[in-house]
Amino acid sequence: KNQVEQSPQSLIILEGKNCTLQCNYTVSPFSNLRWYKQDTGRGPVSLTIMTFSENTKSNGRYTATLDADTKQSSLHITASQLSDSASYICVCITGGGNKLTFGTGTQLKVEL
Amino acid sequence: DTAVSQTPKYLVTQMGNDKSIKCEQNLGHDTMYWYKQDSKKFLKIMFSYNNKELIINETVPNRFSPKSPDKAHLNLHINSLELGDSAVYFCASSPSDRGGYGYTFGSGTRLTVV
Repeated sequence: KNQVEQSPQSLIILEGKNCTLQCNYTVSPFSNLRWYKQDTGRGPVSLTIMTFSENTKSNGRYTATLDADTKQSSLHITASQLSDSASYICVCITGGGNKLTFGTGTQLKVEL
Repeated sequence: DTAVSQTPKYLVTQMGNDKSIKCEQNLGHDTMYWYKQDSKKFLKIMFSYNNKELIINETVPNRFSPKSPDKAHLNLHINSLELGDSAVYFCASSPSDRGGYGYTFGSGTRLTVV
């Protein structure tokens, strides 16, 4: 059964601090992995996409890593801002490309 | 310009009623989806249409019936609403039905059944 587990479930950090969100997956066949940001009351928005052969990818203050051997991914946020407060969802796409498996998300709150 | 727009944004209705949610995308994408997000924030696919053809139909009660009049629209009709149908429903689209392309989500429709 395809599963995507994320940790921590929720996280509170001070503005300006860094944080790392974790994603473990058991998805087969694996195609690619995406991190989405979902603001309250909005739909998810894609942050990064990682294919099987990629280890690291950055998008501004967001850096995603992927270890295909251990089936783990992380999303590192540097110099956090209040606007980073959101739910971050890890999504795996299976080899056929038309099936997504979503994690339950990490709820991040950035405070002053 | 809203890329994927859903209406209504909020819907409160009584058990047993029939309701519809509409979705439109102006991105020229071929594939559209309906997702359900439960109270635990877990997103689960319900349906997927590619060029008006149904390609994914997950285990969803047949009270839910999607309709795609053209590839820019995918509506969701729900009959005999139940309390457990309360959730946020997201419409999404992608250029094709292959996951290598990006997904664009709408802002969601919060359905509350009382």
